[in-house]
Amino acid sequence: AQRVTQPEKLLSVFKGAPVELKCNYSYSGSPELFWYVQYSRQRLQLLLRHISRESIKGFTADLNKGETSFHLKKPFAQEEDSAMYYCALRMDSSYKLIFGSGTRLLVRP
Amino acid sequence: NAGVTQTPKFQVLKTGQSMTLQCAQDMNHNSMYWYRQDPGMGLRLIYYSASEGTTDKGEVPNGYNVSRLNKREFSLRLESAAPSQTSVYFCASMARDRGNYEQYFGPGTRLTVT
Repeated sequence: AQRVTQPEKLLSVFKGAPVELKCNYSYSGSPELFWYVQYSRQRLQLLLRHISRESIKGFTADLNKGETSFHLKKPFAQEEDSAMYYCALRMDSSYKLIFGSGTRLLVRP
Repeated sequence: NAGVTQTPKFQVLKTGQSMTLQCAQDMNHNSMYWYRQDPGMGLRLIYYSASEGTTDKGEVPNGYNVSRLNKREFSLRLESAAPSQTSVYFCASMARDRGNYEQYFGPGTRLTVT
């Protein structure tokens, strides 16, 4: 069955340290991958999607079809990056998203 | 432009009571979704409506029913609430046209069933 795995429930780093939030998926077709973020007391919102190939708030993510991964990276974490991050998969021809279990990122001063 | 709105924000129910969670979007989106968010489980899809007039089960539909009242509104009903339905419920919508598959989320409803 298709699934999205985020192996870390919590990732704690110091301000200025590099961050990598891991996401692996299982799907043999053409996937579309997303990262969503939920800041404290705010609604879930799209951070970035692989087809855009853009950097948002300093975050980037590259789809690696060979490793079926879509890890989220930022070279220098900021305190305002502290939030819950969800990786999501859309399968070809589907209107549904499959979400991972989420990783809470805590950036300490 | 309010985006996706949900009511109520908070609700406490006793086991066996019923209630309806309301969701509306003003973005003229075709598709709407109901998720529940539980610690360590991420977001799990309860029901969705790909377009007005259609509804389909998601990953965890048991104990819930939905109504796509019109293009704007998509409600979720708990007929007989159980403690296992204590969760945060999110509604979302998606345009789905021109390859735009971004989902927009509401602020959530925190439901406690005692």
